[in-house]
Amino acid sequence: GAGVSQSPSNKVTEKGKDVELRCDPISGHTALYWYRQSLGQGLEFLIYFQGNSAPDKSGLPSDRFSAERTGGSVSTLTIQRTQQEDSAVYLCASSFISGGAWETQYFGPGTRLLVL
Amino acid sequence: AQSVTQLGSHVSVSEGALVLLRCNYSSSVPPYLFWYVQYPNQGLQLLLKYTSAATLVKGINGFEAEFKKSETSFHLTKPSAHMSDAAEYFCAVSDRSSARQLTFGSGTQLTVLP
Repeated sequence: GAGVSQSPSNKVTEKGKDVELRCDPISGHTALYWYRQSLGQGLEFLIYFQGNSAPDKSGLPSDRFSAERTGGSVSTLTIQRTQQEDSAVYLCASSFISGGAWETQYFGPGTRLLVL
Repeated sequence: AQSVTQLGSHVSVSEGALVLLRCNYSSSVPPYLFWYVQYPNQGLQLLLKYTSAATLVKGINGFEAEFKKSETSFHLTKPSAHMSDAAEYFCAVSDRSSARQLTFGSGTQLTVLP
């Protein structure tokens, strides 16, 4: 079956512009995660959605970052007024969580963002 | 707070030699532990995971890892390296009671020499 997909695969933008990154999780997966991978900070958790619960936004680095998940499926990560330090690979993952069972997170190929 | 330390940002082995990638975790309670692999320009792929069943976990591509609570370690091994194993490897930890987000180590780049 189809895995996690992300678009665009690459994005180049100018400092100060807004960008939107999209994630299509695996069909039926109830949990969706955003991570950021950068040279200086490694892999960092950003935000987590689970079903209809309020998202865990504890990893968002600033209020310029926001994310939403529509209809429990597709998610969009928005970065407003981009800065050069936002340059990174943004990874999305999804998993199926049932009761207390922990399920594997499946990762997409990422969106490589470059802010000039 | 949980943390993961991967010793050695770069490891080189000869083809056919033993692969040993080190991972130590810091957690107040035994966590869930994972190893992921990332090939160039690709996402992360799960190699194996420990979720409190057997302490020796076997994964894909001939890799395995052993959970040692006394040493707070979860080192990744493979008896014989193959050229296709060259990639970056990440150890990660998840708190059993949290929202299950992963905390990653800084990664180890594995080079396999012919």
